[in-house]
Amino acid sequence: GAGVSQSPSNKVTEKGKDVELRCDPISGHTALYWYRQSLGQGLEFLIYFQGNSAPDKSGLPSDRFSAERTGGSVSTLTIQRTQQEDSAVYLCASSLGQIKQFFGPGTRLTVL
Amino acid sequence: DQQVKQNSPSLSVQEGRISILNCDYTNSMFDYFLWYKKYPAEGPTFLISISSIKDKNEDGRFTVFLNKSAKHLSLHIVPSQPGDSAVYFCAASERGGSEKLVFGKGTKLTVNP
Repeated sequence: GAGVSQSPSNKVTEKGKDVELRCDPISGHTALYWYRQSLGQGLEFLIYFQGNSAPDKSGLPSDRFSAERTGGSVSTLTIQRTQQEDSAVYLCASSLGQIKQFFGPGTRLTVL
Repeated sequence: DQQVKQNSPSLSVQEGRISILNCDYTNSMFDYFLWYKKYPAEGPTFLISISSIKDKNEDGRFTVFLNKSAKHLSLHIVPSQPGDSAVYFCAASERGGSEKLVFGKGTKLTVNP
């Protein structure tokens, strides 16, 4: 597809379970970002990839959160031992290394 | 502490009139500013941007104004259309480094027919 895609679109899980969220960036985009939007809040930066490296992980809220990117393309965000405060929309964006970022539709995560 | 603030959670205007959305920032290192538009259940879509070396950028019905001394920017939509109804996010970035975007909380614009 032409745009950024994310899967699943919705995920409901029980507290304490692990979840994996997937992002397929626009082909050729070297930079990839993860953000999350909690209810009533703006988007909050989580992590930045340039190629397969993550030079900026400053936004990850705790060590329960991790992410990887393989082949300079697909990225997965993993949340271990989910908590209710992890409930949010998780958004992925990609860019060609310019400021302008293109966003996917997001994954809505609900932790019961 | 919020580095990018959108103090109006919502704005309602009549079709054909001007919509003005405001944004303030505190970090003087920000040198690039963007506006994104978001419909429900969709990701944000880029609308317009401005570099700190400019004070105005125009694209069709959308104009962004930047006042660096006041650390303030605004988005003008003229004329407003019902299809413009969405949440508008102001975002800022520093060139170099990760160039991550710092977002405000958004302003929900409703354009009434």
